[in-house]
Amino acid sequence: GAGVSQSPSNKVTEKGKDVELRCDPISGHTALYWYRQRLGQGLEFLIYFQGNSAPDKSGLPSDRFSAERTGESVSTLTIQRTQQEDSAVYLCASSLRIGQPQHFGDGTRLSIL
Amino acid sequence: GIQVEQSPPDLILQEGANSTLRCNFSDSVNNLQWFHQNPWGQLINLFYIPSGTKQNGRLSATTVATERYSLLYISSSQTTDSGVYFCAVEPRGGSEKLVFGKGMKLTVNP
Repeated sequence: GAGVSQSPSNKVTEKGKDVELRCDPISGHTALYWYRQRLGQGLEFLIYFQGNSAPDKSGLPSDRFSAERTGESVSTLTIQRTQQEDSAVYLCASSLRIGQPQHFGDGTRLSIL
Repeated sequence: GIQVEQSPPDLILQEGANSTLRCNFSDSVNNLQWFHQNPWGQLINLFYIPSGTKQNGRLSATTVATERYSLLYISSSQTTDSGVYFCAVEPRGGSEKLVFGKGMKLTVNP
């Protein structure tokens, strides 16, 4: 597609459940990034991929969070045993290469009951 | 880690007014980007500006890397300019992640 696509756009789930968020980057973009934005806050970096590799996982908040990317395309962010503090908008961005302008998807709004 | 400070934190304008948003950062950077988040939450990349000046319509941006600040100018503001403006920097020294400021909320009234 023309832009970064994220799904689902909204997700409501019960505390303790696992969730999987998906990001389809702009075609040809080798770099992909995940961010979290809590209500009224700025963006918090989670993880980035160069190709299918994630050189820096230090931004992931806990070991309940994991991410993978396959085929230098789609990425999934998985949150296991969700907690209420995981409620936020999860944003994905891609860029042609690392260090180039980032283009964002519309995000997934995650609500943990 | 690097600190990114934006000012003012909030701004209310009448349509047609001009404004300047400032971003200060505490260390050397590889690049700097300005984003606009509209009231529906969509983030749009406005400028990729590690140094120098760029213009795009009513918007322009200037980054003075040696003095560690960037300015975003909005001229003849419109109600559609409302939203939150973020400055984000990529620190120099191997980290590839963007560090965002807390944002500046702009409200343009008709």
